[in-house]
Amino acid sequence: GEDVEQSLFLSVREGDSSVINCTYTDSSSTYLYWYKQEPGAGLQLLTYIFSNMDMKQDQRLTVLLNKKDKHLSLRIADTQTGDSAIYFCAEGESSSNTGKLIFGQGTTLQVKP
Amino acid sequence: ETGVTQSPTHLIKTRGQQVTLRCSSQSGHNTVSWYQQALGQGPQFIFQYYREEENGRGNFPPRFSGLQFPNYSSELNVNALELDDSALYLCASSLEAGNEQFFGPGTRLTVL
Repeated sequence: GEDVEQSLFLSVREGDSSVINCTYTDSSSTYLYWYKQEPGAGLQLLTYIFSNMDMKQDQRLTVLLNKKDKHLSLRIADTQTGDSAIYFCAEGESSSNTGKLIFGQGTTLQVKP
Repeated sequence: ETGVTQSPTHLIKTRGQQVTLRCSSQSGHNTVSWYQQALGQGPQFIFQYYREEENGRGNFPPRFSGLQFPNYSSELNVNALELDDSALYLCASSLEAGNEQFFGPGTRLTVL
């Protein structure tokens, strides 16, 4: 079945790079997404990658996709305290026309000053 | 351009009651998806409405139902509330079904 797995917690120091990892199961997913959720808030789309790409860079964010291993990562350069949040990886379901998103359980990023 | 809005922000109900949550989609968007996010979990897809018709449903019982109106706003109705229905309910709109989804701030439902 469809499943998305993430590690639950990551702690880094301000200024360091953060790398959040994710594995997924649907090899036919067209798009893979990273969302950010701050306490008490909804989901903010950070970035996404099309399945025929290996890498996408957007300012401080770099997404790497290893389609063979079904592994996705999000690297945040120069991590700031404002980056502290929960980060969700999601795949777009390929077997329907809804674009239904299948989310991981989220990685809590703690940034220490 | 107004983003996705949801009401109410918070809601407290008791077991067995019924609840209606509302969502206004982003301007120009004709598709609304609803997700349930239990505490400490990722969001789970409930269903999607596209041009006023249900366009896909997740693994939720029939007491979860929805509507989409001609202006593409949407409602989520939950009957016979159970304690496990306590969650953050997120609405997301997209330009068309299958396109990028933009999320609202959510409604926090507590069932006592």
